[in-house]
Amino acid sequence: DAGVIQSPRHEVTEMGQEVTLRCKPISGHNSLFWYRQTMMRGLELLIYFNNNVPIDDSGMPEDRFSAKMPNASFSTLKIQPSEPRDSAVYFCASSFTDGGTQHFGDGTRLSIL
Amino acid sequence: DQQVKQNSPSLSVQEGRISILNCDYTNSMFDYFLWYKKYPAEGPTFLISISSIKDKNEDGRFTVFLNKSAKHLSLHIVPSQPGDSAVYFCAASEYNGGNQFYFGTGTSLTVIP
Repeated sequence: DAGVIQSPRHEVTEMGQEVTLRCKPISGHNSLFWYRQTMMRGLELLIYFNNNVPIDDSGMPEDRFSAKMPNASFSTLKIQPSEPRDSAVYFCASSFTDGGTQHFGDGTRLSIL
Repeated sequence: DQQVKQNSPSLSVQEGRISILNCDYTNSMFDYFLWYKKYPAEGPTFLISISSIKDKNEDGRFTVFLNKSAKHLSLHIVPSQPGDSAVYFCAASEYNGGNQFYFGTGTSLTVIP
């Protein structure tokens, strides 16, 4: 079975550029989560969707961050414009809405120069 | 305002000995707790969970203990093996809080052969 698929695995770009991270959840899962991993805050929830609808985006750090889920099998996290402090590993996870464990992708390592 | 805390960033243990990883939480509404394990360049994977109606859950070499009055949980690994070397994240959720997990900052475990 395919797990959560994230792309790209690595992204290096210059400050001010737009960055788009992509996620394909596990088929049948109807909840999708975007996390950022940092040393200081561990796994920090940015936003999550239930049935393609954003439920809680209070973790999105600034207006420069936006996320969409146009259908059940695809989501994007966009940063525009990007800044060096956005450098981190970004994870996508999916689960069933009625509970259960979250399954994570292998992450996107983002470096903003 | 970290609701789940892992105060030990790292832990080293000899192979064959017990590893004890600790986690504290502040929200008394949390009633479901999980441990995730993360290898470098991979996403976190689910390891073991416990609900608040129990104080212990065991799965092979892994046991999670929950002390609700102290708002504390721990993960015991016996015996520890070199393949257990990874970062371990503690997570918690509320039954009525949807399926949102709150993660700690992680503890990096090194098992020395």
